[in-house]
Amino acid sequence: GQSLEQPSEVTAVEGAIVQINCTYQTSGFYGLSWYQQHDGGAPTFLSYNALDGLEETGRFSSFLSRSDSYGYLLLQELQMKDSASYFCAVRVADTGGFKTIFGAGTRLFVKA
Amino acid sequence: DGGITQSPKYLFRKEGQNVTLSCEQNLNHDAMYWYRQDPGQGLRLIYYSQIVNDFQKGDIAEGYSVSREKKESFPLTVTSAQKNPTAFYLCASTGTSGRNEQFFGPGTRLTVL
Repeated sequence: GQSLEQPSEVTAVEGAIVQINCTYQTSGFYGLSWYQQHDGGAPTFLSYNALDGLEETGRFSSFLSRSDSYGYLLLQELQMKDSASYFCAVRVADTGGFKTIFGAGTRLFVKA
Repeated sequence: DGGITQSPKYLFRKEGQNVTLSCEQNLNHDAMYWYRQDPGQGLRLIYYSQIVNDFQKGDIAEGYSVSREKKESFPLTVTSAQKNPTAFYLCASTGTSGRNEQFFGPGTRLTVL
């Protein structure tokens, strides 16, 4: 089967750096995405890694190691507004094309 | 403005009734998806469609049905066969940018009484 694992909760202080890890077991893997979701809202796209390495977008960076089936999201200079749930998601090949499978999410609490 | 709309935002139905959730996009995206999210959980794929007049079952398709008669529209019907339909339903679409970026609608919160 397909599975993703990420921590259920992480707490950090405003201004700090936090890393959210994601490990996956899938077949037909094409890439790893990260999404942010505030309470009551819809997920918003943060990043996508198809190749090994680090992708940086402002305060957020995402890393992928295909050989280790592992990735992480790095959030720097944490702000209170970063308090949200973060989902890793894998893009996999399926009979009908491609589909995306989401992890259960990591709830990030940013403290003052 | 381009985007995805879902209506209504909140929906209440009696047990045993079928209900159809609307999803419309004007992003000219070929691929569209339906997800279900339960409190404190991740998103689970119900159905997806890569092109018009074609769709595939996701991981939890039982008790749901879809149609894709137009590129812009991908309605989801929650049937009476779905044993636990109360949930937050999210529709998404993807373009061909290569980033696999899914654009989500605001969601419909369905409560079955």
